[in-house]
Amino acid sequence: DGGITQSPKYLFRKEGQNVTLSCEQNLNHDAMYWYRQDPGQGLRLIYYSQIVNDFQKGDIAEGYSVSREKKESFPLTVTSAQKNPTAFYLCASSQRTGFRTNEKLFFGSGTQLSVL
Amino acid sequence: AQKVTQAQTEISVVEKEDVTLDCVYETRDTTYYLFWYKQPPSGELVFLIRRNSFDEQNEISGRYSWNFQKSTSSFNFTITASQVVDSAVYFCALKMYSGGGADGLTFGKGTHLIIQP
Repeated sequence: DGGITQSPKYLFRKEGQNVTLSCEQNLNHDAMYWYRQDPGQGLRLIYYSQIVNDFQKGDIAEGYSVSREKKESFPLTVTSAQKNPTAFYLCASSQRTGFRTNEKLFFGSGTQLSVL
Repeated sequence: AQKVTQAQTEISVVEKEDVTLDCVYETRDTTYYLFWYKQPPSGELVFLIRRNSFDEQNEISGRYSWNFQKSTSSFNFTITASQVVDSAVYFCALKMYSGGGADGLTFGKGTHLIIQP
């Protein structure tokens, strides 16, 4: 079955530690996204990538980094610079992106990150 | 800038009742796209519907229906004869047609729908 796989489902971070969240898709989609969800809040865009080896900052990119070395993979690193990392992180993909497109997003099942 | 408002934080109804989830949006674009997603307890968002701003036809899909009114900037979602399986958080989202910002969806804060048996 095609879809998006996020791992791990739960992750704990210690002070000063960087952690990496995995996101893999087998939908052959060009575009991938990372969203952050806080309780009672909507989703906020962290980073997105329209194509391999290219990515753009979203609305809340500070304290995060990404890479897109392969089409199917878009890992997110939460760095120690992110002072409030506790949240639910959702990865998504779409066939393509860009303005003037209305592609629907396919989402993974998320990673809950907590600070120890 | 664009914004999506879902004023209803939580709605609780008894099974078989009809329920409407409100969505009001703001955008300077004359062309834009609206979406509804469902987030069940499992966590992943599931796409429900997409609507282009130039298509104001309402849509019905089984027990679900959507009322798009450009004049009031609203895109409301109605579930008829609700069922316990409809319990989830529902998000309304907006995508701009033109550039000027990050290329992604702007989400509302979501409405937590609880269907009691």
